[in-house]
Amino acid sequence: DIQMTQSPSSLSASVGDRVSITCRASQDISTYLNWYQVKPGQAPRLLIYAASSLQSGVPSRFSGGGSGTDFTLSISSLQPEDFATYYCQQSYTSPLFTFGPGTRVDIK
Amino acid sequence: HLQLQQSGPGVVKPSETLSLTCTVSGDSITSSSFYWGWIRQPPGEGLEWIGSIYYSGTTDYNPSLRSRASMSVDTSKNQLSLKLRPVTASDTAVYYCARQFGAWPHYFDYWGQGNLVTVSS
Repeated sequence: DIQMTQSPSSLSASVGDRVSITCRASQDISTYLNWYQVKPGQAPRLLIYAASSLQSGVPSRFSGGGSGTDFTLSISSLQPEDFATYYCQQSYTSPLFTFGPGTRVDIK
Repeated sequence: HLQLQQSGPGVVKPSETLSLTCTVSGDSITSSSFYWGWIRQPPGEGLEWIGSIYYSGTTDYNPSLRSRASMSVDTSKNQLSLKLRPVTASDTAVYYCARQFGAWPHYFDYWGQGNLVTVSS
């Protein structure tokens, strides 16, 4: 099984800050990595697919990078609507999928 | 505009069956490019993939839930369904249905609003 970890598990930041979240896979998954934003009471939102491709309609302040085992989701200038929990998802083992444990982004 | 509307009971008794339905509008579930998935999030925990189904009925399940989960599609109603039995308190979660791109990179791009299902007597 491929295990996914995320760091940090939570962070506090201010509006305008640059934020980076790391997702690590227990083995090489190439670029089979997607990122989601989850807010309470709302449908989860796909942000990034294939490690670095921005989903249509997602603001350009979101970016993704990495390959192999280490991946990063970055928000260049944090906005009030970006306070949420972020999850990575590996699809290397398709048709079976696993999500990371999540990173909660709070207001400082 | 694609929408996924979920329905089902909010409370299920232990040892009984959790049943949820997801009605898709704005696209046909018979689209050849997509699978349809179920994902859940227990309170205070992360996302867990339950399984995915193709309109033909082909299914894939999380090995940890394979023995208790069952998914189906009704193409005439453009619906997919999930059953989980028997349930325990650990099955308490928000359950989501989602559209899954059927080829690499297999992302979930449209999601339902979620159903909070509480397992309690």
